[in-house]
Amino acid sequence: DVVMTQTPVSLPVSLGGQASISCRSSQSLVHSNGNTYLHWYLQKPGQSPQLLIYRVSNRFSGVPDRFSGSGSGTDFTLKISRVEPEDLGDYYCLQSTHFPRTFGGGTKLELK
Amino acid sequence: QVKLLQSGAELVKPGASVKLSCKTSGFTFSTSYMSWLKQVPGPSIEWIGWIYAGDGGTNYNQKFKGKATLTVDKSSSTAYMDLSSLTSEDAAVYFCARGQYFDFWGPGTMVTVSS
Repeated sequence: DVVMTQTPVSLPVSLGGQASISCRSSQSLVHSNGNTYLHWYLQKPGQSPQLLIYRVSNRFSGVPDRFSGSGSGTDFTLKISRVEPEDLGDYYCLQSTHFPRTFGGGTKLELK
Repeated sequence: QVKLLQSGAELVKPGASVKLSCKTSGFTFSTSYMSWLKQVPGPSIEWIGWIYAGDGGTNYNQKFKGKATLTVDKSSSTAYMDLSSLTSEDAAVYFCARGQYFDFWGPGTMVTVSS
């Protein structure tokens, strides 16, 4: 199985500040069709995860442009600028290039 | 709009089975993949498998083969997951999610295993 390693585990931030989360995979996430299936989710307390970014850098419908994704191959980053209270929660990366689909262990974004 | 409505919390005895449901609306169910996922406090999320509603074709995480069985009822746009021979290791919140990007999720069903 592809192992997804997220860092940091906990990320204290100030409102209005910037946050950066890393996700590394144990093998390349480039599919044979040339696409890279790496996605990012936010899970707020008591809620189900919500899709933020799909295929590395595409914001899902309704996601503010404060969220941006980048990366390639095995190394990916989610950046959040101008952090707002509704951004707090657990962030996960997911790879859907390989079976079984696998998630990172999560990063808790919390107030400093 | 897209909605995924999951069945309510379950309290089941060890060794028993349980069937969870995920009733959908707002999209074309018959051409969709529906995944099931498991989350235990940790927090970690595991992908159990998916089913293509069009033909019932499935792909399971090897870890859950023999534990989970995925089915659909196209007439009611509902996906189901049977969990068998439950143990304490199966206590978790189970989610259904749509599509290849898991773009919409159900609210989750908590399964508690206790005698």
